[in-house]
Amino acid sequence: NAGVTQTPKFRVLKTGQSMTLLCAQDMNHEYMYWYRQDPGMGLRLIHYSVGEGTTAKGEVPDGYNVSRLKKQNFLLGLESAAPSQTSVYFCASSYSLALYEQYFGPGTRLTVT
Amino acid sequence: RKEVEQDPGPFNVPEGATVAFNCTYSNSASQSFFWYRQDCRKEPKLLMSVYSSGNEDGRFTAQLNRASQYISLLIRDSKLSDSATYLCVVNERTGGFKTIFGAGTRLFVKA
Repeated sequence: NAGVTQTPKFRVLKTGQSMTLLCAQDMNHEYMYWYRQDPGMGLRLIHYSVGEGTTAKGEVPDGYNVSRLKKQNFLLGLESAAPSQTSVYFCASSYSLALYEQYFGPGTRLTVT
Repeated sequence: RKEVEQDPGPFNVPEGATVAFNCTYSNSASQSFFWYRQDCRKEPKLLMSVYSSGNEDGRFTAQLNRASQYISLLIRDSKLSDSATYLCVVNERTGGFKTIFGAGTRLFVKA
């Protein structure tokens, strides 16, 4: 089992460019999440999904869009990148929405110049 | 007041020491609680779930105090390999789902 994988691992964007981060899990989890982690702050939830075809906003959704077309994949899109979106992005999945642990991917380091 | 607050750290302790971290949360209706460990430039990994009855796993003990709204993590006989950042996580399911991570407490264990 690969667990949770993320693509790419690193990326540098210019302001205004767009990109998509891909998250894949092979644990058959219903629930998937996208977080960002900034220095001195806890992970903050961007969007999450409770199943294929469904998404919901988290704490900091502005500037991001997501899609969950297949159960095993959760995509995070930045339509017009801004320097404030420079961060480390983590994807996670879980068996239950709140009661069980989340399994995290290795992260994507994104720099927007 | 932040929704989840942790000891600021860093904690610098010698090998073999006992160290305790606390984490307070603001929503009394919070449903589940966890401690995660995060190594430098790595993803968080679950260390322990936290139950009302307490939870012990080897050198690690986690406790929940709902009345005072805090969770704690005790590490006994610290090892060099315990050096990491410890994150507390609080989940809420009232009026929607919310998962809140503390900012983390950095632990350095020295020989």
